[in-house]
Order: sequence, then structure tokens, then C-alpha cells
Amino acid sequence: TQLLEQSPQFLSIQEGENLTVYCNSSSVFSSLQWYRQEPGEGPVLLVTVVTGGEVKKLKRLTFQFGDARKDSSLHITAAQPGDTGLYLCAGRGRPGGYQKVTFGTGTKLQVIP
Amino acid sequence: DAGVIQSPRHEVTEMGQEVTLRCKPISGHDYLFWYRQTMMRGLELLIYFNNNVPIDDSGMPEDRFSAKMPNASFSTLKIQPSEPRDSAVYFCASSQTGTGIYNEQFFGPGTRLTVL
Repeated sequence: TQLLEQSPQFLSIQEGENLTVYCNSSSVFSSLQWYRQEPGEGPVLLVTVVTGGEVKKLKRLTFQFGDARKDSSLHITAAQPGDTGLYLCAGRGRPGGYQKVTFGTGTKLQVIP
Repeated sequence: DAGVIQSPRHEVTEMGQEVTLRCKPISGHDYLFWYRQTMMRGLELLIYFNNNVPIDDSGMPEDRFSAKMPNASFSTLKIQPSEPRDSAVYFCASSQTGTGIYNEQFFGPGTRLTVL
């Protein structure tokens, strides 16, 4: 079973602060995705990274895939209240298993105005 | 195009009763997933279908849970009999073949189930 551990589990910060969320595993993944889930809704895809060392930016969010494709990080610059939500990483294992993903344990972020 | 539709949005039932959750995937999507989300266990995959055929049901907790997909536009997840530990938010998601490792799953709004 492939496990994805996220840290921290909970994070409460003031508007304007920076933060980093980590997603770690002992398994290698063919790709890693980050989803955000708002209260009362389902997760929504933010980004997919596929190459070891890859960095993608989405406005104030920066995503990185580890060189060994076992871990990933999400960095938010100047957090805003609209960033509040549950952040989930999701990994795809063997290349043939494109459709099935394993979700991480989640990081609940609260940005206080 | 409408997203994934789930019904009901909330369900409160008593222990021992049968519960049926419903899902309509996005038109044209050939994969359908059922997940369960709790504070303790996070988001867990229960079962997924490809072209209406169950592919992997290894996440289904026990025989009390069953899922069907009679056609491309409808799926059900049934719990019989229900127990308090089944209380959770159940999500349905769908996706489409062809995007490879960039494949995105589209989630419904979830059904919040409470078993008393």
C-alpha cells in the first residue's frame, strides 16, 4: 500500500504570511497532484507534476516534485483568506495505473484576515 | 456542462437501515470512483468502475457495502445494514481516459451520511 503523509496536519496563519506544506512517501510515483477542498465541496485539482525536480507555479502557489519522485511541496506566498481549505496531495503509482490515485492525509489551512 | 451530481446531499438514518447513495458522472467520462472521507482516515477510495465495469473494489470495507453502475450515467453505493461507524462524507468522482498521467478526477459535492 502506498502511503502519502502530509505535514503539517493543521496550519493557522495570518493573511500575508508565507507557508509550505509537505507531502512525503517511501514509494515512487509516476505523477503527483495537488487538490484543494473547500467546506461542503469536493476536492478540485490545482496542478499535476510528473518529472522529478519539476516546479510549477500557479499565481502565488508554487509546487515542486522531489527529484526522486517520492515527495512534493506546496508553497504559498502572501496567503489570503481565499486560500483557506483542505489541501490534498494525490499520487499515481505504476505508470499503467493512471486512473487510480492515492490521496494524502491532508493539510487543513486557515488564513485569518 | 453540469458537474458530477450526487444525491442526497445529506442523509440521516438509524442503525440497521439500508442507505442508498446516488451519483451521475459527467457525460462522456468513462471512469467513476466512490470515496469516503472521515477525519480519522482521510479520503479513501472504495471502488472504481471503467465503462460500467467494477475494476477495483479492494477498498470496500465489508460485505455490507455494495456498488453498481447499471449504465454510463448512473451509479449507486448501498450500505445494508448501516452502522454508526459508516458515518462519513461519501464522494463520487469521474474522469476521462486519454489524458494519461495528467488525468483529473472531477468530484461531486458529496453526501454527508449520519447513522444514529
